[in-house]
Amino acid sequence: EPEVTQTPSHQVTQMGQEVILRCVPISNHLYFYWYRQILGQKVEFLVSFYNNEISEKSEIFDDQFSVERPDGSNFTLKIRSTKLEDSAMYFCASSPTAVANVLTFGAGSRLTVL
Amino acid sequence: SQQGEEDPQALSIQEGENATMNCSYKTSINNLQWYRQNSGRGLVHLILIRSNEREKHSGRLRVTLDTSKKSSSLLITASRAADTASYFCATDAATGANSKLTFGKGITLSVRP
Repeated sequence: EPEVTQTPSHQVTQMGQEVILRCVPISNHLYFYWYRQILGQKVEFLVSFYNNEISEKSEIFDDQFSVERPDGSNFTLKIRSTKLEDSAMYFCASSPTAVANVLTFGAGSRLTVL
Repeated sequence: SQQGEEDPQALSIQEGENATMNCSYKTSINNLQWYRQNSGRGLVHLILIRSNEREKHSGRLRVTLDTSKKSSSLLITASRAADTASYFCATDAATGANSKLTFGKGITLSVRP
């Protein structure tokens, strides 16, 4: 069964440091997403990405965040200068289509900002 | 209340019983989906129901959708201990190029053996 893989599974960083979370979506999928889940809270949409550009982003996805698909397989989320409130589980997801899409999620990367 | 709000927040049942989980939402949707999350893991898609459908089945899962009440329910019949997980409803209200799912806070289901 194809799966979305995410690395690292857990990252601990100091406030103000840059963090890059990596994802390898399913190979024939065209649409990519990042979501996050703060402990005990709902899963929140961050950004969607298609055809090498951002399709949509939420209010959370401010200029501290960026996404990139550097080599046609990886899909990365960068947080430039982490804050304490960025501590969360970050999920990458991909889907083959945009209409009535079913997302396949990775297992998540837990980010802890100290 | 938020889009995609589930209730109850937590549900504990005995193995073999049925589990019913509800979800309410506020805006018009294209479809509604239910996902499952085991502790510390990613979300796994369970079932999708389109806005023009009223009921859908998949194995032991039955989902209903009432667009007039903006609500959905997920029924798991003959529950098993392995069904213990968090369950999320997610609404897809996209009008643009691609979908954006809005999730609720989830329901924690515990199935006692």
